[in-house]
Amino acid sequence: GAVVSQHPSRVICKSGTSVKIECRSLDFQATTMFWYRQFPKQSLMLMATSNEGSKATYEQGVEKDKFLINHASLTLSTLTVTSAHPEDSSFYICSARMGTGRGTRSSYNEQFFGPGTRLTVL
Amino acid sequence: SQELEQSPQSLIVQEGKNLTINCTSSKTLYGLYWYKQKYGEGLIFLMMLQKGGEEKSHEKITAKLDEKKQQSSLHITASQPSHAGTYLCGADMRGNNNDMRFGAGTRLTVKP
Repeated sequence: GAVVSQHPSRVICKSGTSVKIECRSLDFQATTMFWYRQFPKQSLMLMATSNEGSKATYEQGVEKDKFLINHASLTLSTLTVTSAHPEDSSFYICSARMGTGRGTRSSYNEQFFGPGTRLTVL
Repeated sequence: SQELEQSPQSLIVQEGKNLTINCTSSKTLYGLYWYKQKYGEGLIFLMMLQKGGEEKSHEKITAKLDEKKQQSSLHITASQPSHAGTYLCGADMRGNNNDMRFGAGTRLTVKP
């Protein structure tokens, strides 16, 4: 159980185009989904947190107009990189969590990670 | 600077040898996760530690969290080529699992 998929797994696009990445929770309902970015040989950096039916919360330094996040259902969140440029080339990973997110010692809501999407902008 | 410091950054060991990876924070952690990642792939969950002094094992991998909940170690016994990959520690920094931070990772190579 607790499988998260991402599509596409790999995308190459021209500079200036927009790219949409999908993140799906396959066997559970995800009230919260997270989007991370990982540059080569670096760790994951949280970009934004999205709750189903509400606007995403972006981390400092992440442009909300450039990285559009939609969490329209409990099983799907999308990240659209608008007007992509070569510096946006990166590995994008989503994670999904069921429940309210109020972690307590007895009910800890784990994040389940997708396999990632490698974006290359030429 | 990283909120979670991992060491070493990379490690090359001979098959059959034991190894330890460390993850340290200056803050008390609400939950500490260990993941394995192969290049260009997602994260594979290994273990989660919550309580100070907690220790968990799965096959040949043991993870510990210190009493202060600021440091964790991942120990692999009798390493095999299948253990190769990048190991990441991740931690819940605020207790609501909304703020996960990750270490920079430790790249492990196991020589046959």
